[in-house]
Amino acid sequence: GNSVTQMEGPVTLSEEAFLTINCTYTATGYPSLFWYVQYPGEGLQLLLKATKADDKGSNKGFEATYRKETTSFHLEKGSVQVSDSAVYFCALKYGNKLVFGAGTILRVKS
Amino acid sequence: GAGVSQTPSNKVTEKGKYVELRCDPISGHTALYWYRQSLGQGPEFLIYFQGTGAADDSGLPNDRFFAVRPEGSVSTLKIQRTERGDSAVYLCASSPTTNNEQFFGPGTRLTVL
Repeated sequence: GNSVTQMEGPVTLSEEAFLTINCTYTATGYPSLFWYVQYPGEGLQLLLKATKADDKGSNKGFEATYRKETTSFHLEKGSVQVSDSAVYFCALKYGNKLVFGAGTILRVKS
Repeated sequence: GAGVSQTPSNKVTEKGKYVELRCDPISGHTALYWYRQSLGQGPEFLIYFQGTGAADDSGLPNDRFFAVRPEGSVSTLKIQRTERGDSAVYLCASSPTTNNEQFFGPGTRLTVL
């Protein structure tokens, strides 16, 4: 079936550290891939997306590249801020529905 | 403009009771989705509407769950004979069409005692 696996958290970093959150997927065909973010007390928001192999999605300093060979879509940011503290969800789109990973809590300390 | 709204924000009920959860999508969005998020998990798809009809209800866990969207705008998720395992955050999302970004509401936290 279609599924998403992402690294367990929480991930705790100091401000300005480099961030990687791993995400791998299993899917039939070539789905679109997404990263969603949920800030404390807020709803899910789309952070970035990629619709085909080798596409790179980017937003707010975050990047992720759609790697078909490794079925991965790892999220990276070169220098995190305290305001990036949130829960991050990797997802794929299968038909018209989104399939989410379990989420990774990121905590950034000043 | 206004985003997706959901009411109530919190609902506490007793096992065996009936509950209704409401979703107001962004105006003009034809596609509407319901997801359920259990503690420590990502959202799981329940059902999706294109207009007034349920185009895919494959995620509904059993026949105690039902959703309607009679006029193609507001949707109501109905749960009969609630069980403790139904406790979760129920999320609604809408999109202009099925190929667009899904915009999520803040969710309704359902607690079944």
